[in-house]
Amino acid sequence: AQSVTQLDSQVPVFEEAPVELRCNYSSSVSVYLFWYVQYPNQGLQLLLKYLSGSTLVKGINGFEAEFNKSQTSFHLRKPSVHISDTAEYFCAVRPNTGNQFYFGTGTSLTVIP
Amino acid sequence: NAGVTQTPKFQVLKTGQSMTLQCAQDMNHEYMSWYRQDPGMGLRLIHYSVGAGITDQGEVPNGYNVSRSTTEDFPLRLLSAAPSQTSVYFCASSLGAGTYNSPLHFGNGTRLTVT
Repeated sequence: AQSVTQLDSQVPVFEEAPVELRCNYSSSVSVYLFWYVQYPNQGLQLLLKYLSGSTLVKGINGFEAEFNKSQTSFHLRKPSVHISDTAEYFCAVRPNTGNQFYFGTGTSLTVIP
Repeated sequence: NAGVTQTPKFQVLKTGQSMTLQCAQDMNHEYMSWYRQDPGMGLRLIHYSVGAGITDQGEVPNGYNVSRSTTEDFPLRLLSAAPSQTSVYFCASSLGAGTYNSPLHFGNGTRLTVT
């Protein structure tokens, strides 16, 4: 069985400060990893994905994530956040053996001016 | 390129009414799914389909029906609406078997209120 845990439900951070949103997963098989962003009253957009290869993945809007297989983590980072980054962020995994995606419960990032 | 299209954007129903949420994708994706999003509960899978004629239940299927007669369309039917079904519903699609590294593409959602 697979599960995804986003350790922080809410993260407030000041503008131009760095941020890390944490994601841990559990799976008995290899997985593909994704981060999605949801701006207020919108659908979910793909931020970045880890499929294979380099463990540091760069996405849109200056975000990056690092895959750590030993710790089964896929934390999302940005060195300097903007007001426009205020949104809900979801971590997701998809096993390499099945169709379903498994989502975390989301982290609400609020950037404070 | 339209991607995943959901209609309607908003809907208000009375308890006991039925309705169908429409979802269509133009990316030739085999995998399609419906989620509901409620505050503090993230995304919960209602039903999914791995191809035309094949559907299966997700985490919260009760009160919902689906069918998949074509690759493009995956409607979600509420049989007898209840206030507990007040939520935001998202349709999402992806490539299927053999391409599990493909991400999920989401529609813009349908906000449903049941009074």
